[in-house]
Amino acid sequence: ETGVTQSPTHLIKTRGQQVTLRCSSQSGHNTVSWYQQALGQGPQFIFQYYREEENGRGNFPPRFSGLQFPNYSSELNVNALELDDSALYLCASSSPDRESEAFFGQGTRLTVV
Amino acid sequence: EDQVTQSPEALRLQEGESSSLNCSYTVSGLRGLFWYRQDPGKGPEFLFTLYSAGEEKEKERLKATLTKKESFLHITAPKPEDSATYLCAVQPLSGGYNKLIFGAGTRLAVHP
Repeated sequence: ETGVTQSPTHLIKTRGQQVTLRCSSQSGHNTVSWYQQALGQGPQFIFQYYREEENGRGNFPPRFSGLQFPNYSSELNVNALELDDSALYLCASSSPDRESEAFFGQGTRLTVV
Repeated sequence: EDQVTQSPEALRLQEGESSSLNCSYTVSGLRGLFWYRQDPGKGPEFLFTLYSAGEEKEKERLKATLTKKESFLHITAPKPEDSATYLCAVQPLSGGYNKLIFGAGTRLAVHP
């Protein structure tokens, strides 16, 4: 089975721009979560999608939004980028039969200048 | 408020020198506690899930244990390839979704 893949791996954006990050979940996984990891910190939960609907959100403003598609792949969109949005963005997927175990992709390193 | 605290922040060991990493947590109800390994610039790699106090799991040189307030990751006779950041996370019962709350991690360096 294929693992969780994210694209792009690295990205540089200017403050005020918008960005879209993509994630393909592991085969058979229908739940996708997004996390933001600042340097030297643990990942922080942004939101989760299950069967194409958002079913949980962390303490992130509305300019962080997402989508999940029928094939369970997902996008994270961030509008009006700020310097503090610079971080490693991680996607994690989990399966219905092993609900609790989340498997992470390699991440997208976003730098906002 | 649900919270995870890991200690120490950083640990330097000689090859073969066993040690333990600590993860203290407060959560309204625990669905599971997770350990991940993260190499620089990479995503976290799943190691263990523990569900109830007294549970233990082992994988090669790693052993994870769980009590009602903390978890330990014991590393026996570590090798340089065990160098990484080890992350602990809890999954609360409440919320109806699989949110993970992470600690800041312990950076482990194993020297030959």
